Amino acid sequence: AQSVTQLGSHVSVSEGALVLLRCNYSSSVPPYLFWYVQYPNQGLQLLLKYTSAATLVKGINGFEAEFKKSETSFHLTKPSAHMSDAAEYFCAVSHRTGNQFYFGTGTSLTVIP
Amino acid sequence: DTAVSQTPKYLVTQMGNDKSIKCEQNLGHDTMYWYKQDSKKFLKIMFSYNNKELIINETVPNRFSPKSPDKAHLNLHINSLELGDSAVYFCASSQDALASGPASGANVLTFGAGSRLTVL
Repeated sequence: AQSVTQLGSHVSVSEGALVLLRCNYSSSVPPYLFWYVQYPNQGLQLLLKYTSAATLVKGINGFEAEFKKSETSFHLTKPSAHMSDAAEYFCAVSHRTGNQFYFGTGTSLTVIP
Repeated sequence: DTAVSQTPKYLVTQMGNDKSIKCEQNLGHDTMYWYKQDSKKFLKIMFSYNNKELIINETVPNRFSPKSPDKAHLNLHINSLELGDSAVYFCASSQDALASGPASGANVLTFGAGSRLTVL
């Protein structure tokens, strides 16, 4: 069975500060891992994905995430928050050979000017 | 060209009515999904079709019936609408990971913009 836990349903950061959104996964086999972003009144867009190549994955808009097998984590970071980063962020996991995706409960990011 | 398109974007209706939401993808993907997002932003998988065949059918009331006339379309029909059905419904699609492998971009969900259903 696979599952995803996102710690912190709401995160607030100041503009220019580090963004850290936490994601831990549970999987019996090495999974694929994803971060999606949802801007207000829009669908989800892929930020980045991990598919067992480099453990540090770079995505769009300056975001990156590091896969740490020992910690079963896939935290999302961005060195300097921008006002336009305010959105809902979802971590997701899937089996490598399947078509089932399991989403975390989401983290709402607020950027304070 | 929109990759995954859903219609309508907004739907307001009365309890007890029957309504449909349509979804089409032009990505050539093999698998399509319906997700429900509630007011707390929780995303829940409802159905998944692979090449017109149902492969995921989560615990969803049988008032919800998906229909896939071909692999590019997955429609959602809802009978006897209830207040609790109010939500945003997202259609999504993905390529078959077995067929294409991770480097091709397979096993990535592409979402539509959502259909906001309000039941009064």
